[in-house]
Amino acid sequence: DAGVTQSPTHLIKTRGQQVTLRCSPKSGHDTVSWYQQALGQGPQFIFQYYEEEERQRGNFPDRFSGHQFPNYSSELNVNALLLGDSALYLCASSFGDRVNSPLHFGNGTRLTVT
Amino acid sequence: AQSVTQPDIHITVSEGASLELRCNYSYGATPYLFWYVQSPGQGLQLLLKYFSGDTLVQGIKGFEAEFKRSQSSFNLRKPSVHWSDAAEYFCAVGVRITTGRAQKLVFGQGTRLTINP
Repeated sequence: DAGVTQSPTHLIKTRGQQVTLRCSPKSGHDTVSWYQQALGQGPQFIFQYYEEEERQRGNFPDRFSGHQFPNYSSELNVNALLLGDSALYLCASSFGDRVNSPLHFGNGTRLTVT
Repeated sequence: AQSVTQPDIHITVSEGASLELRCNYSYGATPYLFWYVQSPGQGLQLLLKYFSGDTLVQGIKGFEAEFKRSQSSFNLRKPSVHWSDAAEYFCAVGVRITTGRAQKLVFGQGTRLTINP
């Protein structure tokens, strides 16, 4: 049973470029959340997708957008990259509308902006 | 607003010694609390969670945590650490997403654990 898978594992981009990160949730999960983890910090919530809609967003600008597909997989897009966008981007999946539905995390995509 | 504070950025203990990692939270309702561990270059693995009931919860890898409402704390403990426990540890509070599913997590800054042989 595959867990949460993310691609690519590493990415190097230049300021001003755009990037797309991908996530496949754990089998049986229907909800995907994205987190940004800057170096030496705890992860910060970006947004959550359920039923192909963005349900809640954290304190991130509109340059960060996402999408969820009918098979529950998800993409995170970041436009007009800034140096400060360099971070580990984590995808987490879950199932159920109860708060005690645990989140399962992928290994992340390491994005470096130069 | 919800927040989590982990006062210790870095802790070093000797192999076989006991361990306690501190976590304090700020949340207006009944908290749902979690401890995650992250090895270098890896994602987050859930160690244990508290939702309700017994305030002492057991997790994987021999870890336990105690919820103390009066102190707004959820400290992680292990009686005897192993070299493989060296990692980054994150405490988190779950905040219900009213328009979505499950919850979002608000994380602390993390505590890096180093084990001396």
